[in-house]
Amino acid sequence: AQTVTQSQPEMSVQEAETVTLSCTYDTSENNYYLFWYKQPPSRQMILVIRQEAYKQQNATENRFSVNFQKAAKSFSLKISDSQLGDTAMYFCAFMKPGTGNQFYFGTGTSLTVIP
Amino acid sequence: DGGITQSPKYLFRKEGQNVTLSCEQNLNHDAMYWYRQDPGQGLRLIYYSQIVNDFQKGDIAEGYSVSREKKESFPLTVTSAQKNPTAFYLCASSSPLDFKETQYFGPGTRLLVL
Repeated sequence: AQTVTQSQPEMSVQEAETVTLSCTYDTSENNYYLFWYKQPPSRQMILVIRQEAYKQQNATENRFSVNFQKAAKSFSLKISDSQLGDTAMYFCAFMKPGTGNQFYFGTGTSLTVIP
Repeated sequence: DGGITQSPKYLFRKEGQNVTLSCEQNLNHDAMYWYRQDPGQGLRLIYYSQIVNDFQKGDIAEGYSVSREKKESFPLTVTSAQKNPTAFYLCASSSPLDFKETQYFGPGTRLLVL
């Protein structure tokens, strides 16, 4: 099984500042996908951003961007101009195509944006 | 609106009782998934189905059962064999034709044991 590690159980950031959440994964595969999901207090899982491993260019979605380091098996999420609505649990996930496209999730990072 | 619905939002189970969690999607997705979420842990896969009338065990299938009689529906039954069922249950679906296999989630069901 693949393993996904999020080493920061909790983080906080001042509103309008930038924060980076870390994620590392372990795999011997060359073709895979990586995702960041957000789970606010409502507990609805919301896709934040995804990255295809074969793409060298880092994915960006508005204020969210990733730093994908394939050789280091690292996939960090940067949130710029943090907003109060960014307060949530953030989960990193790994998916290898095939065999049901199973996702493997990290244990999450609880992010609090401080006014 | 397209999406995934789960019901009920809260469910209470008595000792020795089987309970069924509902998951319905109108996204025309082929694949559907059930996850369990416990405090301090990530999501763990219970069962998944890639096509109607077929499903596979995930990492923690013991004490659970599923069916996939319709493309839109993937109910999960928590049986009396599941000794620690208190958790938050999430259903998801995906399509290889839609956004690179991304999984989309329902709002979840909170199961509590009386």
